Amino acid sequence: QQQVKQSPQSLIVQKGGISIINCAYENTAFDYFPWYQQFPGKGPALLIAIRPDVSEKKEGRFTISFNKSAKQFSLHIMDSQPGDSATYFCAPEVSGSARQLTFGSGTQLTVLP
Amino acid sequence: DSGVTQTPKHLITATGQRVTLRCSPRSGDLSVYWYQQSLDQGLQFLIQYYNGEERAKGNILERFSAQQFPDLHSELNLSSLELGDSALYFCASSLRTVSPLHFGNGTRLTVT
Repeated sequence: QQQVKQSPQSLIVQKGGISIINCAYENTAFDYFPWYQQFPGKGPALLIAIRPDVSEKKEGRFTISFNKSAKQFSLHIMDSQPGDSATYFCAPEVSGSARQLTFGSGTQLTVLP
Repeated sequence: DSGVTQTPKHLITATGQRVTLRCSPRSGDLSVYWYQQSLDQGLQFLIQYYNGEERAKGNILERFSAQQFPDLHSELNLSSLELGDSALYFCASSLRTVSPLHFGNGTRLTVT
C-alpha cells in the first residue's frame, strides 16, 4: 500500500517569508516526485518535480529538496507572496504504464500581505 | 488554462440517480485519468485510460464506470448515487503515461 504523509496541514506565512512543506513516503519504488498547486475552483497544476538522481531542483522561487535515505522530499517557497496562497499536494509515483498517483492530504498555504 | 475541458461544471441530483461526467483531454493527449476530491478523502485516483483502453484502476466503486472513446474524450458514469458521492470529480490528461498531468477544473457533484 502506497502511503504518503504530508505536513503541515495548514501554514500561515508573512509576505517575504519562507514556506516549507514536507512529504514522507513509504514506497521505495517511487521515482518521480512532483508538487501540485491548486487554487480554489481550479484543478491541481504541476508546480515542480524532481527525479531521484538529484537532491535538489530550483525553479524561480520554488525549490524541491529530496532525501532518498529518509524517504522524504520537501517544497520550499522563497519570498512567499500572497499569490502563492493555495493548496499544495505532493504526489510521488512510480513511472510506468499503469499510473496511480497517490496524493498527499494537502497543505493549505496562506501568505499574509 | 490546462486545455482539459470538463462538463458540466456543477451537477445537482438526487440519491439513486445516475449521472454522466464528460472530459475532453488536451489536444493530442492519449491518457485520461479520473480523480475524486472530497474534504475527508482528499484526492483519490479512480481510473486511467490510454488510447481507449483501461490501464489502471484505483478506488473506484462498482457503481461507477468510465470509458474513453475513439476521439479520446472520456465519460465517467456514476449510478445509484449516494449522499457520500458528493465531491469534486477531476479529469486529467497526459500525452503519454510518463508525461506531466494536466487537470481540468472539475465537476462539482452534489447529491441531495
